[in-house]
This record gives sequence, structure tokens and C-alpha cells, in this order.
Amino acid sequence: QLQLQESGPGLVKPSETLSLTCTVSGAPISRSTYYWGWIRQAPGKGLEWIGAIYYSGRAYYGSSLKSRATISVDTSSNQFSVRLTSVTAADTAIYYCARHLFSGTEYWGQGIPVTVSS
Amino acid sequence: QPVLTQSSSASASLGSSVKLTCTLNSDYRNHIIAWHQQQPGKAPRYLMKLESSGRYSKGSGLLDRFSGSTSGADRYLIISNLQSDDEAVYYCETWDSNTWVFGGGTTLTVL
Repeated sequence: QLQLQESGPGLVKPSETLSLTCTVSGAPISRSTYYWGWIRQAPGKGLEWIGAIYYSGRAYYGSSLKSRATISVDTSSNQFSVRLTSVTAADTAIYYCARHLFSGTEYWGQGIPVTVSS
Repeated sequence: QPVLTQSSSASASLGSSVKLTCTLNSDYRNHIIAWHQQQPGKAPRYLMKLESSGRYSKGSGLLDRFSGSTSGADRYLIISNLQSDDEAVYYCETWDSNTWVFGGGTTLTVL
């Protein structure tokens, strides 16, 4: 059974960089069919796709965060990560990692809440 | 880029059926979508993928009470014999050109 687990700090100061990692278990991240993505949900709001990465390292980003987000993959550790620079209070959200197919998001992590505050 | 439009809320009585709608913009009317359920305080859960033909494929363990159908650009999630734990936000999602897009979600209230 595939499992995804987010990890990282729950509190980040404004203007700093948010860094989260997703550890995948139950399947190799290097399987060619899938993309590995990040999605966030601000308090009381809907789902916002941040971006996704293929095992080869090719990454794709949503338009709203493209200039601040970087997604990377480490196939040896079966992990992928997201960095979001210059965070503000508007980046306070639950961050989910996920496995994408072209038909949609098949598996979700449990989510990690991140608060941006001094 | 595809746009998915959902009603913000819906309600139906315990034991009845409800049909939630997700509408694709016209250029993407033939796209496959996915439906997700998010119960309060929980992560979203993948329910099914739904094709333009109306064919759907459910996620692991999904009950027979959940089904999907299609009419043109509209994609439907049908839940029969509503239970109290069906009360949740339901999101549709699609993909195009290496971008994944979500609808705004429909909050379902079970009366």
C-alpha cells in the first residue's frame, strides 16, 4: 500500500524559506507512470496545486507560485521536496504531498500544517 | 488551461441520493476528471476518475453508493443512500499540459 508522509517545520518566519519533504513508501518513486506533487489548502479555502515533479527531475509549477516554488526529487531516498521562498502570512496552509496520474491525484499524504508568523 | 466549476453547496436528506456537478470549460469538455472527498479535519481522499464517455473507475475500497456519470461538459458524482459521514467537501480535478487543476469544491450537507 502506497503511503506518503510530509515532514518539515510547522512554523516559518515571514520572508524566510519554507522547506518540506515527502517520504514515499510502498512503491519506488522512480516508476515512470507517475508524477509527484504538492498541493496546499489555506484555512477555510479550497485546494491549490503548487507543482509536481517527474522522477527524472523535470518539474512543473502552477502559475500562482511559479516564481517562488522549487520542487526536487531524491530517488535514492524515495523522497521529494518543495521549497517556497519569501513566505508571507498568505502561505499559511496545510501542505499535502500526492501522487498524480494524468487522470488525477490518486494518493494523498495526511498533510502538514505550516504557519507563517514571527 | 482547464477551469472546473462547482456549486459551492448542496444538501440532501439522510438515506436519499444527491448528484454533484463539475463543469469543464468548453475547450476541455472531453477531459477526464477525478473526484475527491474531504471530510472535516481530514486529508482529501481520491474517489474515482470519470471519463467523457461516462465510464468511471473507483478508488480502492469505495462503496457501491458512489457512482459517476457525464453529460457533455458536465461530470457528475452521484451518492445514493446518503449517510452522515458523507457530509464533506467534494472536489473535482483535471489535468492538462503537466498542470493539475482543482474545482472550488462543493460542501455537501446531509440533513
